[in-house]
Amino acid sequence: EVQLVESGGVVVQPGGSLRLSCAASGFTFDDYAMHWVRQAPGKGLEWVSLISWDGGSTYYADSVKGRFTISRDNSKNSLYLQMNSLRAEDTALYYCAKALGSSGYDYWGQGTLVTVSS
Amino acid sequence: DIQMTQSPSTLSASVGDRVTITCRASQSISSWLAWYQQKPGKAPKLLIYKASSLESGVPSRFSGSGSGTEFTLTISSLQPDDFATYYCQQSWTFGQGTKVEIK
Repeated sequence: EVQLVESGGVVVQPGGSLRLSCAASGFTFDDYAMHWVRQAPGKGLEWVSLISWDGGSTYYADSVKGRFTISRDNSKNSLYLQMNSLRAEDTALYYCAKALGSSGYDYWGQGTLVTVSS
Repeated sequence: DIQMTQSPSTLSASVGDRVTITCRASQSISSWLAWYQQKPGKAPKLLIYKASSLESGVPSRFSGSGSGTEFTLTISSLQPDDFATYYCQQSWTFGQGTKVEIK
């Protein structure tokens, strides 16, 4: 059974930093690109970042470029999101998601809540 | 960047109704479109990928069609479990969502 379990979400002050983790199981982790997607309270889905299967290619939404860094450790079946210079508008539920080729995400975690507030 | 526009934003329907949600791309995306269902407090669930392929385990009352710039998600006979918010997605861009409410 495929499982994605996010962790690391907390309340953090504006300007602070945080690292989210996503533990994957039930599939060959290093065969797949992985994504982070977020959802602000009461709002829609927003793609955040993508990392290729081997970590060699990374992409970011303009809203987080230069502040967030995606990474993975295939030996630990884990995905990460380092979040720096956090802003109030980064407050959201952050999901990790497994890519289904070039069309969609077939598995999502349950999400981890990041709240940026003083 | 490609923009995805979903319509309507809210839809009121009754059990048994046929429901159609539309997603338009600002430029051609071939068939690279996915549809998701999201219920409150839950992660999105993949329904359709590559515009018309039904994800395993998804009821056959859900179907997707279209290519190029215009796509539709159809629920042939709305069931009580289908009241939720639906999103289309192309690559890294999501539509704004369509909430299907009880009429």
